[in-house]
Amino acid sequence: SQTIHQWPATLVQPVGSPLSLECTVEGTSNPNLYWYRQAAGRGLQLLFYSVGIGQISSEVPQNLSASRPQDRQFILSSKKLLLSDSGFYLCAWTSGNADTQYFGPGTRLTVL
Amino acid sequence: SQKIEQNSEALNIQEGKTATLTCNYTNYSPAYLQWYRQDPGRGPVFLLLIRENEKEKRKERLKVTFDTTLKQSLFHITASQPADSATYLCALYSSASKIIFGSGTRLSIRP
Repeated sequence: SQTIHQWPATLVQPVGSPLSLECTVEGTSNPNLYWYRQAAGRGLQLLFYSVGIGQISSEVPQNLSASRPQDRQFILSSKKLLLSDSGFYLCAWTSGNADTQYFGPGTRLTVL
Repeated sequence: SQKIEQNSEALNIQEGKTATLTCNYTNYSPAYLQWYRQDPGRGPVFLLLIRENEKEKRKERLKVTFDTTLKQSLFHITASQPADSATYLCALYSSASKIIFGSGTRLSIRP
């Protein structure tokens, strides 16, 4: 069966520090991968998605970037965090026809 | 511009009643629409998918309708229970593997 992992589960970082969040999927190949951010009490904002290795589509211009170095690995990064980057970051995957998204457990990021 | 809206931020109903949640969209022609449940501090969990050529779909106490003319989906939970309390999100397949979510409706079922 397929599983999706995210780490870390929680993170507290100072403003201006770098960020690296990792997401890996097991039990499937060539998944579509997604990063979402959810502010407290709000909906999911699509940040990036990828349909293959090295292929990244960015939805929101900001100080975040994403990379997909391997088929089942998706990384969210920042060189310098802002206060507004605080939130709940969710990674998700779908099969090629994208009919169901499966979400990871999320990372709660607090920028102080 | 393209929008997907869930009309109610919060909905409170009595146990045993039917909860009805609404999702409206503009400037999309989605091939399908999905509903997810999200509990606090957790990722969303897929519930139901309905395609553009389907009017209605059911799963146990859940029912979803899809009206492509009105650009609206309704999500019903019959015989609601306190355990159904959660945030419910609608999502649609936009294009090129992109899935867009509404802001969610927080449903509370009181005993």
